Amino acid sequence: GAGVSQSPSNKVTEKGKDVELRCDPISGHTALYWYRQSLGQGLEFLIYFQGNSAPDKSGLPSDRFSAERTGGSVSTLTIQRTQQEDSAVYLCASSLGRGGQETQYFGPGTRLLVL
Amino acid sequence: DQQVKQNSPSLSVQEGRISILNCDYTNSMFDYFLWYKKYPAEGPTFLISISSIKDKNEDGRFTVFLNKSAKHLSLHIVPSQPGDSAVYFCAASGDAGGTSYGKLTFGQGTILTVHP
Repeated sequence: GAGVSQSPSNKVTEKGKDVELRCDPISGHTALYWYRQSLGQGLEFLIYFQGNSAPDKSGLPSDRFSAERTGGSVSTLTIQRTQQEDSAVYLCASSLGRGGQETQYFGPGTRLLVL
Repeated sequence: DQQVKQNSPSLSVQEGRISILNCDYTNSMFDYFLWYKKYPAEGPTFLISISSIKDKNEDGRFTVFLNKSAKHLSLHIVPSQPGDSAVYFCAASGDAGGTSYGKLTFGQGTILTVHP
């Protein structure tokens, strides 16, 4: 498809386990973003990749969270030693990334439940 | 510190009438504003955006107004349709000189219900 895709769509895990969430951005988009939406909360910025520049990690809530972007395309968000408060919808977005005012297009999200 | 606020958690409108969704922001470095619509179990869908150099942008039934001096924007939907029922988020990003560059800051969302 032409849009942002994410996998898995749902993930249930036990507290203390590690999880990996995947994002495939729109082809040709050089910028990629991760957000999360906790229950009853708005969308919260996590991390931002732009081309080959160092990512903006200012939104990551703890050092248990990390993300990679391989080959300037697919990204993986990893949460180590998951906690119950990590339960949320994790959303990925991409944009053309030419700089300036960019419209971000979102994927359907991964719903993470930590038991 | 909530930099983007949507003070109305919900709005109910009759089909055919106008829906007005409001959003306020505090960060004067924001220079690009967007509205997204979100259905349950789906990601946000981009609706319309406006640059800070404009005060109005129109796209079909959707119009966004920006009042920079009041740090306020609004989304007008005319005429409203039952299919417009969803959660609406406003979002903002800043220019390259600030910490809000690239990343979107979202409001809490407003649930719009359009009754037939």
